[in-house]
Amino acid sequence: SQQGEEDPQALSIQEGENATMNCSYKTSINNLQWYRQNSGRGLVHLILIRSNEREKHSGRLRVTLDTSKKSSSLLITASRAADTASYFCATDGSGGYNKLIFGAGTRLAVHP
Amino acid sequence: DVKVTQSSRYLVKRTGEKVFLECVQDMDHENMFWYRQDPGLGLRLIYFSYDVKMKEKGDIPEGYSVSREKKERFSLILESASTNQTSMYLCASRGLRTEAFFGQGTRLTVV
Repeated sequence: SQQGEEDPQALSIQEGENATMNCSYKTSINNLQWYRQNSGRGLVHLILIRSNEREKHSGRLRVTLDTSKKSSSLLITASRAADTASYFCATDGSGGYNKLIFGAGTRLAVHP
Repeated sequence: DVKVTQSSRYLVKRTGEKVFLECVQDMDHENMFWYRQDPGLGLRLIYFSYDVKMKEKGDIPEGYSVSREKKERFSLILESASTNQTSMYLCASRGLRTEAFFGQGTRLTVV
């Protein structure tokens, strides 16, 4: 079962614009994480936000978390062509085992 | 530099073969995972292990088994490969409630 559902599935923007991706999930979480995947490669961790946090920043990345709506968003500001990749959210459930459940991802294309 | 290493980037196997995918991590993590990635479906969890010799099924364990005899190594086994197991396989490891580190992926084609 996929916990995280990303929206939109695909996003196409121009360099310099901001990109916003959303993630919804179903059950309670300990934390939520965002990852990036360049074509055909492994995933790279971007940012982790804990369930008691509402917003977190890392460079040009801003993540928000709304546990009452079971949703999160990833904002990439001033995007660059090098940001072209797929982005995934992953939820770390509050109970039981230490596993991450991923969504289907958002494909971001940034055009020069 | 932390590392998760998968034994092969590309594999081509025949239907019915027993296939071994190996993953090694150097971070002394307790938790290791095998995911399968298919277009439009994201990453789906096959199996994970939270300690040596301990394993739990993920969402799609059918047709797969795993082995974890040493902390640093987690193997995924396709008992009898089928064409519907053609996919990208990703191994990951993590500590307690931390971020996951991924290998570079193995693209398996079953013909």
